[in-house]
Amino acid sequence: QSVLTQPPSASGTPGQRVTISCSGSSSNIGSNTVNWYQQLPGTAPKLLIYSNNQRPSGVPDRFSGSKSGTSASLAISGLQSEDEADYYCAAWDDSLTVVFGGGTKLTVL
Amino acid sequence: EVQLVESGGGLVQPGGSLRLSCAASGFTFSSYSMNWVRQAPGKGLEWVSYISTSGSTIYYADSVRGRFTISRDNAKNSLFLQMNSLRDEDTAVYYCARDTAYGDSDPNYFDYWGQGTLVTVSS
Repeated sequence: QSVLTQPPSASGTPGQRVTISCSGSSSNIGSNTVNWYQQLPGTAPKLLIYSNNQRPSGVPDRFSGSKSGTSASLAISGLQSEDEADYYCAAWDDSLTVVFGGGTKLTVL
Repeated sequence: EVQLVESGGGLVQPGGSLRLSCAASGFTFSSYSMNWVRQAPGKGLEWVSYISTSGSTIYYADSVRGRFTISRDNAKNSLFLQMNSLRDEDTAVYYCARDTAYGDSDPNYFDYWGQGTLVTVSS
């Protein structure tokens, strides 16, 4: 059971906008920033969003992040087939550990 | 180009030990904190351990505390994970990941990851 809660799956058609939620508590998301990682099939994870809503260089602006209270969201607009991947949220927890969500498998229909 | 290359994985019996290494290149290793993150087959990501630039700040996941030891050699641009008393549930791909945290502060976010090394614990 992961400390951060994500839906196990999400889906959308090309061009659509999809959102993935990440729910935590006051000890993690509520008091620290949220980061998102993308893991394409058979590859290592890659940083997608950091500090709640910042995109690293090279990440398309179709990807955006937000945080409110003890929850965070990742939004992907203009969905493309290459966005099919697993997405993980993560945050520092006041228990002195990094916590991850269980991951959301995104399917592009 | 930032590169992180893990090695040292393999098959080990329950109760055994293994030492993982992560060779870093393309950046000033001594200026970055580092992490180990693992992924069991078909499962999600699980953070394992963190070490600050000087090694003075170290954190572990509850699942490995007391059994695993993280360390680094800044002169050799290398990160290590000594794993003792291995259990079946430690079977996973182990990734090293660079952290953007400054100095001896707490973990921030992981901006570069290696390709991982597979550890299989089985009799």
